[in-house]
Order: sequence, then structure tokens, then C-alpha cells
Amino acid sequence: DIQMTQSPSSLSASVGDRVTITCRASQSISSYLNWYQQKPGKAPNLLIYAASRLQSGVPSRFSGSGSGTDFTLTISTLQPEDFATYYCQQSYSTPYTFGQGTKLEIK
Amino acid sequence: EVQVVESGGDLVQPGGSLRLSCAASGFTFSSYEVNWVRQAPGKGLEWISYISSSGFTIYYADSVKGRFTISRDNAKNSLYLQMNSLRDEDTAVYYCARVGVWDLSWYIDLWGRGTLVTVSS
Repeated sequence: DIQMTQSPSSLSASVGDRVTITCRASQSISSYLNWYQQKPGKAPNLLIYAASRLQSGVPSRFSGSGSGTDFTLTISTLQPEDFATYYCQQSYSTPYTFGQGTKLEIK
Repeated sequence: EVQVVESGGDLVQPGGSLRLSCAASGFTFSSYEVNWVRQAPGKGLEWISYISSSGFTIYYADSVKGRFTISRDNAKNSLYLQMNSLRDEDTAVYYCARVGVWDLSWYIDLWGRGTLVTVSS
């Protein structure tokens, strides 16, 4: 199975900050990497697919990069509504594992 | 409105069974692959099962293989998850999750609100 490891597990930041979350796969997954945002009590929401493609309707302050085993999600200028938990997921091979999540909190 | 709505979650005893349903509307359900994803209370997301648009290709996570069965009825725009031999660790919110495809890559582009399954005596 492919293990997905996110870092950090939690992060405190302020509105206006630039934030980067990292996701590392235990083996190469090419660009088969997706990012989701989840707010408390809500279903996840797709942000980025295929490592770097922005889902329709998602603000352009979100961006993704990487390929192979190392990936990043960047939020260029944090907004109040961005405080949430973020998950990466590989769609390269079954089981389609998620990272453990990164909780982004207000400093 | 494009949506998927889960139902069937309940309190069940260990060793018991439950059948979850997911009703799709607003899109051509038969054209889409679908997953079940679950989330234990206070924990992260766990992919548990996938079914192709035709129903011919199915995958399971090891944690549910042999106990859970995914199926679909395209004529009824519905997805199902039959859950047998339930364990305490199956307690979670279960999400129905539609697959979007770009090139050879896939992702989950539509999630339901989830249905809560509680396994407890």
C-alpha cells in the first residue's frame, strides 16, 4: 500500500500569511494527487486535482505542485474561511489512501 | 441540483449488519464511478470502496474486504454498501463520493453529507 504522509499535522497562521502544506508518498505516484479541504461537520471539498489543477470555483490563492513522491499545497494569502483541515489523496493505485490531515488554525 | 444523499446509518451492535444507500440526482449517475469514504469521529478520511460506472470493477480496502459489499443500481440512480460483521472500529460517518476524471487521473468532485454508523453494544 502507498502511505501518504502530510506535514505538518497542525499549523497556526494569521490572516494574510502564505502557507505551505507538504504531502509525501511512500512510492512514486506520478501526478495522481488530489487535495481536499474539510471544515468541521462538513463533507470534504475538492481544491486541487492531478497535483496542480485548480478545481472550478476554487479561489486562485490555492495552488498545488509536485510529482513523483513530493507534493505541496500553497495558500498564497490566507483568508478567514481557509481555516480548516486539509487532506491529500493518491489516486494512483488501490487502496486510494489519504494523508492524515493538516489542521490549519488561527494564530 | 447535482447531489448525492446518503441514508441508512444507524446504531447497530457488534457483529450486526447494515445497508447504506446513496441516491444520486441532477446528473447521469450511470456515467460515473463512485466511492465510499468514511471518517471515524475526530479522525481522518479513509477510502473503503470503489465501483466503476458499469459495476463490473470493484475494489475494497483491506479493513472491510470480505465484510462489506458495494453495489449499484443505475436504473434507480443508487449506490449501496452492505455492511456485515460490523465492528466497533467501523463507527464512522460514511460518505458517498462521485469520481471526476481528467486525463488518466481521477478525483472526488462531489461528496454527500454523510450518514453516521455507530457500532456499539
